[in-house]
Amino acid sequence: AQTVTQSQPEMSVQEAETVTLSCTYDTSESDYYLFWYKQPPSRQMILVIRQEAYKQQNATENRFSVNFQKAAKSFSLKISDSQLGDAAMYFCAFTIRGNKLVFGAGTILRVKS
Amino acid sequence: DVKVTQSSRYLVKRTGEKVFLECVQDMDHENMFWYRQDPGLGLRLIYFSYDVKMKEKGDIPEGYSVSREKKERFSLILESASTNQTSMYLCASGRSGNGNQPQHFGDGTRLSIL
Repeated sequence: AQTVTQSQPEMSVQEAETVTLSCTYDTSESDYYLFWYKQPPSRQMILVIRQEAYKQQNATENRFSVNFQKAAKSFSLKISDSQLGDAAMYFCAFTIRGNKLVFGAGTILRVKS
Repeated sequence: DVKVTQSSRYLVKRTGEKVFLECVQDMDHENMFWYRQDPGLGLRLIYFSYDVKMKEKGDIPEGYSVSREKKERFSLILESASTNQTSMYLCASGRSGNGNQPQHFGDGTRLSIL
């Protein structure tokens, strides 16, 4: 079965500090792609960052970076210098053999000023 | 920018009604998807389409059907709405490929079945 587990239903971070959101997944495939999506209160889902499973180097996008551990099937998201605009629901997801996405349950991130 | 437009942001219907949710994308994407989002369950795939008039079942297709008569439009149909179909519905589109293409989402339709 293809599954994604996000073990933290909610997280809080102080503005300007760093937070890490956890994600583990399960697949028997060797070639796949991993994504983090952000859903702010406005509801539109936005791509945050993506990682190819065959690449060992961790992806980074400005203040967002991932820690990809393929053997452990772990794909955590680190947000540095957190901003109020980072407050949202974050979803971890992956695709295999085509473009079907398998999503986790999501983590609500609250940013305190 | 890619734009995925869902016809309604909020919708209230009665049990037994036939409900249509419409989705239009403006980027000539081959793939289109309908998801259902429920608290604690994330997004679950209902149906998807890789081409015009082509459709495939996702993980939870029961009680739903879809139509894709034109490349830019993908409709979700609740044949006979029931209260357990009260949910947020998200449409997405994306380019075909080997799985590395991100999906682009609409704003969602919050559907209430009374």
